[in-house]
Amino acid sequence: NAGVMQNPRHLVRRRGQEARLRCSPMKGHSHVYWYRQLPEEGLKFMVYLQKENIIDESGMPKERFSAEFPKEGPSILRIQQVVRGDSAAYFCASSPRGPSGQSRGETQYFGPGTRLLVL
Amino acid sequence: AQSVTQPDIHITVSEGASLELRCNYSYGATPYLFWYVQSPGQGLQLLLKYFSGDTLVQGIKGFEAEFKRSQSSFNLRKPSVHWSDAAEYFCAVGRSYNTDKLIFGTGTRLQVFP
Repeated sequence: NAGVMQNPRHLVRRRGQEARLRCSPMKGHSHVYWYRQLPEEGLKFMVYLQKENIIDESGMPKERFSAEFPKEGPSILRIQQVVRGDSAAYFCASSPRGPSGQSRGETQYFGPGTRLLVL
Repeated sequence: AQSVTQPDIHITVSEGASLELRCNYSYGATPYLFWYVQSPGQGLQLLLKYFSGDTLVQGIKGFEAEFKRSQSSFNLRKPSVHWSDAAEYFCAVGRSYNTDKLIFGTGTRLQVFP
């Protein structure tokens, strides 16, 4: 059973370009979370998605960032017009179920991350 | 608001010595608590988790953690450290109202000397 897949593993962009980060959850998982890790810091929650729905985007910057998780295919985190401050490691995690009554607290399994460098 | 504090930024131990990494949390109800380990350039691997029940939880690689509600702590322990345990360790708390987003501490970097 393959784990969470993320690609690319490393991405270099110049200021003003767009970055697209992909995340394929574990088989059977329909819930995806994106986190950002700035250098020398812990992970910060960005967004929580289910198939075709954004459940919680309270951690997403208001501008330039968007996320989707279509019915088919991977989840995409898109950063438009990147700036140097966007340089970070972006991690995706998946879980088999989300919060609801008895199924709360499902473990999140993390992918290897995408290291974004903005020149 | 939920928060996680890992007071020790950097810890150095000798191989074979015991280890305790501290984690304190702030949360209004019983939290879900996790310890993850991150090797350089890698993703996060779950070491152990606490949801309910026995407050002493066993994890992988010989790690254990104890939930102490009175101290709002979830410290990670290992009786004898191996050189391969050198990594960054993150404590996290979950279970907000409508999402299982995790709140992470800033991490503790562990160095192991031979």
